[in-house]
Amino acid sequence: AQTVTQSQPEMSVQEAETVTLSCTYDTSESNYYLFWYKQPPSRQMILVIRQEAYKQQNATENRFSVNFQKAAKSFSLKISDSQLGDTAMYFCAFMPNFGNEKLTFGTGTRLTIIP
Amino acid sequence: TAGITQAPTSQILAAGRSMTLRCTQDMRHNAMYWYRQDLGLGLRLIHYSNTAGTTGKGEVPDGYSVSRANTDDFPLTLASAVPSQTSVYFCASSEQGGGNQPQHFGDGTRLSIL
Repeated sequence: AQTVTQSQPEMSVQEAETVTLSCTYDTSESNYYLFWYKQPPSRQMILVIRQEAYKQQNATENRFSVNFQKAAKSFSLKISDSQLGDTAMYFCAFMPNFGNEKLTFGTGTRLTIIP
Repeated sequence: TAGITQAPTSQILAAGRSMTLRCTQDMRHNAMYWYRQDLGLGLRLIHYSNTAGTTGKGEVPDGYSVSRANTDDFPLTLASAVPSQTSVYFCASSEQGGGNQPQHFGDGTRLSIL
């Protein structure tokens, strides 16, 4: 069974600064996908970024980038030039590539951007 | 684009009563999912369906049932609600099952069992 751990329940950062959210996971699979989802106060779950484990290059989406360390089973999210609209819960999630439809989520990190 | 529509938005239900949460998607996605979100536990998969006519159990299926009569609809039924089923329920869909297809989520249903 896979597990996903987010060790930072809450974080806060000044607007325009950079913040990194941590995520580690445990799996015996060699091929899998990792995701970061954002959940603002509106409750909607929004996909932020996705990483394929077989790709060594870290995924990037505008101000969002990841630091994927496969050997260490670490998948952190970096938000650059943080904006007030980035205030949300952030969930890290894992899914094996084949044979299992289960998306396993971490418990989330509540991020607050301070004006 | 509507995407995924969940109904109701919120509901208060007496323990022992039955309830069906509705989920409809207009993206013609083959795979659909139901999750519950509880404070401190993240989202946990209840049931899923890879294609119309098939369903599977997730991590926490007990007390819930689903059906997938067609591609668009994936209702979740609580036959006899208990207080521990108080939660926020999310429906999601993806083009196919598997991690190469990201899941898209509805806005959730907040359900309180008294």
